[in-house]
Amino acid sequence: AQRVTQPEKLLSVFKGAPVELKCNYSYSGSPELFWYVQYSRQRLQLLLRHISRESIKGFTADLNKGETSFHLKKPFAQEEDSAMYYCALSGWAAGNKLTFGGGTRVLVKP
Amino acid sequence: DAGVTQSPTHLIKTRGQQVTLRCSPKSGHDTVSWYQQALGQGPQFIFQYYEEEERQRGNFPDRFSGHQFPNYSSELNVNALLLGDSALYLCASSGGGRAIETQYFGPGTRLLVL
Repeated sequence: AQRVTQPEKLLSVFKGAPVELKCNYSYSGSPELFWYVQYSRQRLQLLLRHISRESIKGFTADLNKGETSFHLKKPFAQEEDSAMYYCALSGWAAGNKLTFGGGTRVLVKP
Repeated sequence: DAGVTQSPTHLIKTRGQQVTLRCSPKSGHDTVSWYQQALGQGPQFIFQYYEEEERQRGNFPDRFSGHQFPNYSSELNVNALLLGDSALYLCASSGGGRAIETQYFGPGTRLLVL
């Protein structure tokens, strides 16, 4: 069975500080990993996808198959980064459905 | 392109009633997935439709059913509503048929069962 775990429910950081959101997964096969973000009163939207290897809004995430992790990082948090973040997994064995973690709320204080 | 749209935005029903939620996919997308998001939790996969057929189903009872129309829009039906069905229902669309394509989400329909 596939599973995504986000151990932190809430992360509170000061503006300009680094932020790291943890995501661990279990999956049989080659996973596709995603980070979705939901800003206040907005819809869930894709932040980044591991195969694209892009840096979006200063965020990066590296897939570590040995540790089955896909942690999201940003070196200098901004107040506009305050939002709910979800790690999600898909793949051929999953039939293209997304399995989400429970989410981490990030609060960036001024 | 308005992206994925859902209707209605909010809905209040009583136990035992039936509800139908609607979703229009993003232009060019042919696959629609439905998710249930309970308060304080991540979205959970209900089912996915492609070529007007249910391609995959999550761990939800038969009270949850769906349909996809030739224009790729979709409906989610829930029968015999329970209090525990109160949640945000999200529709997501993707393209590419059988490829692992990025899913784009609608704003959701918030269902309250009293």
